[in-house]
Parts: sequence; structure tokens; C-alpha cells
Amino acid sequence: ETGVTQTPRHLVMGMTNKKSLKCEQHLGHNAMYWYKQSAKKPLELMFVYNFKEQTENNSVPSRFSPECPNSSHLFLHLHTLQPEDSALYLCASSREGRGGTDTQYFGPGTRLTVL
Amino acid sequence: KNEVEQSPQNLTAQEGEFITINCSYSVGISALHWLQQHPGGGIVSLFMLSSGKKKHGRLIATINIQEKHSSLHITASHPRDSAVYICAGLTFGNEKLTFGTGTRLTIIP
Repeated sequence: ETGVTQTPRHLVMGMTNKKSLKCEQHLGHNAMYWYKQSAKKPLELMFVYNFKEQTENNSVPSRFSPECPNSSHLFLHLHTLQPEDSALYLCASSREGRGGTDTQYFGPGTRLTVL
Repeated sequence: KNEVEQSPQNLTAQEGEFITINCSYSVGISALHWLQQHPGGGIVSLFMLSSGKKKHGRLIATINIQEKHSSLHITASHPRDSAVYICAGLTFGNEKLTFGTGTRLTIIP
């Protein structure tokens, strides 16, 4: 399998549930990103990991908890979410975590609905 | 008001038409990205440019740093070009990407 994969592709959860989103990249990159895309709003960067270390947390609420066990895998753990957290969550990777100077390769996203 | 604005928000055109999508930004940027997002959600990076013009197939991107404006052109448009096109500016200093809200393009056969 090549590129950036995300699972699940769709997720419906209640506000009291705990779930996790998974991202895997097969490109040999060292940086991984989580983005949130809400309807009619610009993409919002949530977290950046560079060589497994978190280098950016864009004031994301603590109900979103990222984990990066190695350079190929990135998780987003979700707990006690709110309906306004319903969105498309996109994972991306790049060769290095130099923000916008590297080309980022995106996964297909997880469409999350919080009831 | 967004720091990066795109126009139009929605664009419908006939197959074969020349398409122009505009991106204006109010912050100082060192480079600008154009991205394509297909209906399934996946995003593909099209261009990164800091001056002048870049061309890839039927796609052309231009930027005028002084005027804080970039355009994406599609020649001989095709229904498979239907997607959301997003521009993102790389802000001076912090190297953060600021995204526009996207332009939804629909090409009718």
C-alpha cells in the first residue's frame, strides 16, 4: 500500500464515547500532521509531529489527544467530543516538518459525526 | 475576514472553457500553495510558488507578491477537473500555512 492511509473513513460517535483515528504513511517521511476541515471553513492545522516529537499544538482542546509512536503512524484519540467537533479530519505527511515549505501528502480523511 | 480570500466561492462552467480562480491575501507571505480536493475528501498538492508562473499540464499558477494575489488557471477544462481548489499562504517568519475557504469548481460535459 502506498501514500497516506486513514482509518476509519467514517465514524459516528456519541458525546460520551472514546474513539481513535489512525493515520499511516508509507512514504518514508519524518513529519506528520492532523488537520480539521469543517463545512465552509478553511482547513485548520491541529498538530504537527516531527521525528515523533510534537512540534506544534494549535490551541486544540484537550478532548483531542494525539499520539505518534513512530514516524509512520499517527493517532488522534477522541473523548467527550461535542457536536461542533463534527468535521473531516485529515492527516498529512511531509519529508520534514518545515511547515509550508515541504510538499504535504494528504490522506483521504475521516468523516466524523458527533451525535 | 479571512487572511486568505478566494473568489469565486463556486464556479460552474462548460467543458472546454478557460477557468480562472483567484486568491488574495492580506498577510506577508513567502510562498503560496494551490491544492485540489476531490469529492472523496483527499487533497493533492498542485503547486508551490513564490514568484512568477508555474505550469503543469493544463494547469497554470501565477503569483504577484507585491499585489498579494495569485491565480490558478485551467485550460480546456474537463469534468474530471471538478473539485474544490484551495490556496494557502506561507506566512513570513513562522512558516505557517493559512488556508483559504476554497473554490468549488464544477465542469459540465
